[in-house]
Amino acid sequence: EDQVTQSPEALRLQEGESSSLNCSYTVSGLRGLFWYRQDPGKGPEFLFTLYSAGEEKEKERLKATLTKKESFLHITAPKPEDSATYLCAVGYSSASKIIFGSGTRLSIRP
Amino acid sequence: DGGITQSPKYLFRKEGQNVTLSCEQNLNHDAMYWYRQDPGQGLRLIYYSQIVNDFQKGDIAEGYSVSREKKESFPLTVTSAQKNPTAFYLCASSIETYSPLHFGNGTRLTVT
Repeated sequence: EDQVTQSPEALRLQEGESSSLNCSYTVSGLRGLFWYRQDPGKGPEFLFTLYSAGEEKEKERLKATLTKKESFLHITAPKPEDSATYLCAVGYSSASKIIFGSGTRLSIRP
Repeated sequence: DGGITQSPKYLFRKEGQNVTLSCEQNLNHDAMYWYRQDPGQGLRLIYYSQIVNDFQKGDIAEGYSVSREKKESFPLTVTSAQKNPTAFYLCASSIETYSPLHFGNGTRLTVT
């Protein structure tokens, strides 16, 4: 079955405490892996696209990496304003659509 | 500014009534999508359209209908056949099928 699994469901960190979020996928014909940030009551905001294993993208305190079966979103020295739900999504050619994981709720304490 | 506009932000309906959610984009994107989000869950695909006058069912299409008569517009109708319609509905668009999605800010529908 095609699916995207994110872990952990929730993560609480102290300000400055680095960590990683995981996104594993089982699909045929990966066409792109996407990371989004979602604030409460808002639509998701696009962060990164990764297309092939070994690829990395960075933006401020965030760095996304991709292997053949999973992606990691590394957050370095997070600040309280990084608190949000982070969603992973996968586009794949066997179904011509994009499916989402259930997200990781990240909370950064000052 | 280019973007996606969903209206209204909040919508209340009585059980048994059909309701239509609006989605308009001025990004000149070909592909448009409707997702549903329930508390603590990810986004589930309802319908998507890759081109005007064509659309496909997503994973949870039962009880919903769409139309794509114009490139800019992709309205979603929640019918009385949808058993659990209360949810947060998100519309998105992309340049093409596997490009990053641009989202609107959602419509929260409450049916009592």
